[in-house]
Amino acid sequence: AQKITQTQPGMFVQEKEAVTLDCTYDTSDQSYGLFWYKQPSSGEMIFLIYQGSYDEQNATEGRYSLNFQKARKSANLVISASQLGDSAMYFCAMREGNTGNQFYFGTGTSLTVIP
Amino acid sequence: DTGVSQDPRHKITKRGQNVTFRCDPISEHNRLYWYRQTLGQGPEFLTYFQNEAQLEKSRLLSDRFSAERPKGSFSTLEIQRTEQGDSAMYLCASSFRGEAQPQHFGDGTRLSIL
Repeated sequence: AQKITQTQPGMFVQEKEAVTLDCTYDTSDQSYGLFWYKQPSSGEMIFLIYQGSYDEQNATEGRYSLNFQKARKSANLVISASQLGDSAMYFCAMREGNTGNQFYFGTGTSLTVIP
Repeated sequence: DTGVSQDPRHKITKRGQNVTFRCDPISEHNRLYWYRQTLGQGPEFLTYFQNEAQLEKSRLLSDRFSAERPKGSFSTLEIQRTEQGDSAMYLCASSFRGEAQPQHFGDGTRLSIL
């Protein structure tokens, strides 16, 4: 089974609107971490936001927030007030366990912001 | 903080040749990871070091792949007897130890096998 599932290969959003990118995960560990990365066309992977499995509050970083629903095993990324520079691939990733060494990445969602 | 540096950025080689890539992590980071990324896919874990110790290798990593991190600083990834299927972007990442610590990625080395 896939550890991380991103079901939206491509998404479009109007500039200044909000967009939600979906991510579901599969683990039997009680302790795990969830990460979102952005990969522009230039190729570098940029860390955006982190959510720990024991965190009760949803993580926020500027225009990024993570809608964490533990029972549903989902960790959706919400980008508010989209900007043209947000156009990129977005990857959800999970680290299992307290000292998990592996990060599992999803297949990504390509976001295009329309002016 | 100069970021994670990878060299070369691009490598083109003939099938059957050996190739070696280098990664210089962020100097304070004790963890170093290698990933492979093919078009349309997310990064796929290859191997991981904590300091100089290689603690984990993916089962997908064939015997043709070897990685080292002497002295716990830079790392090299060598692919012997390259095959067409090795064509991919090879990404290096580093991080501090700790469950909330994100990985910081380099720009990658793109390998093309002729």
